[in-house]
Amino acid sequence: RKEVEQDPGPFNVPEGATVAFNCTYSNSASQSFFWYRQDCRKEPKLLMSVYSSGNEDGRFTAQLNRASQYISLLIRDSKLSDSATYLCVVNMGYGGATNKLIFGTGTLLAVQP
Amino acid sequence: GAGVSQSPRYKVAKRGQDVALRCDPISGHVSLFWYQQALGQGPEFLTYFQNEAQLDKSGLPSDRFFAERPEGSVSTLKIQRTQQEDSAVYLCATGPSYFGPGTRLTVT
Repeated sequence: RKEVEQDPGPFNVPEGATVAFNCTYSNSASQSFFWYRQDCRKEPKLLMSVYSSGNEDGRFTAQLNRASQYISLLIRDSKLSDSATYLCVVNMGYGGATNKLIFGTGTLLAVQP
Repeated sequence: GAGVSQSPRYKVAKRGQDVALRCDPISGHVSLFWYQQALGQGPEFLTYFQNEAQLDKSGLPSDRFFAERPEGSVSTLKIQRTQQEDSAVYLCATGPSYFGPGTRLTVT
């Protein structure tokens, strides 16, 4: 079983739609959690951290459920520019400021005009 | 430069050749990670350095893969006797927000 599992998609949605991505992780010792965005042929870019209390950044909302080992990302009012691969990431780190990131396979989002 | 840089950006190698991929981290960043990203997959952890010490090499797929960071700054990932399955993008990172652009390796 993969350490981080995501639905690979693709998710094809019209502009303005709300879309949700889910992710599960297997290691309960995981320390912190992130969503990354990766455009075609580019490096992954940190989109947002994920906290148990939930956090929101504009149209993006991330949620963590530690008991179920489940992470989600909600995108409201999708824009064409949101089209990308969204990677669920778990930090298995060494403590302190260091990070050993374990990535899911990514979910491809295509927002249609 | 302001970010993590990697060179070369693209490398084509014949099967059996040795390759060396370079990562120039942000000055002062202590941690350095290498990841391998195959087509259609997420990045997979290869190895981690703290300064010049290689603290974790559990992700290196075989003994053909070797990484070093002798002065705690620039790092080199070396792949000996390349195989087709080594074709991937190799990413260097110094933290969650600091990924290099990657080196795309194609083994023919």
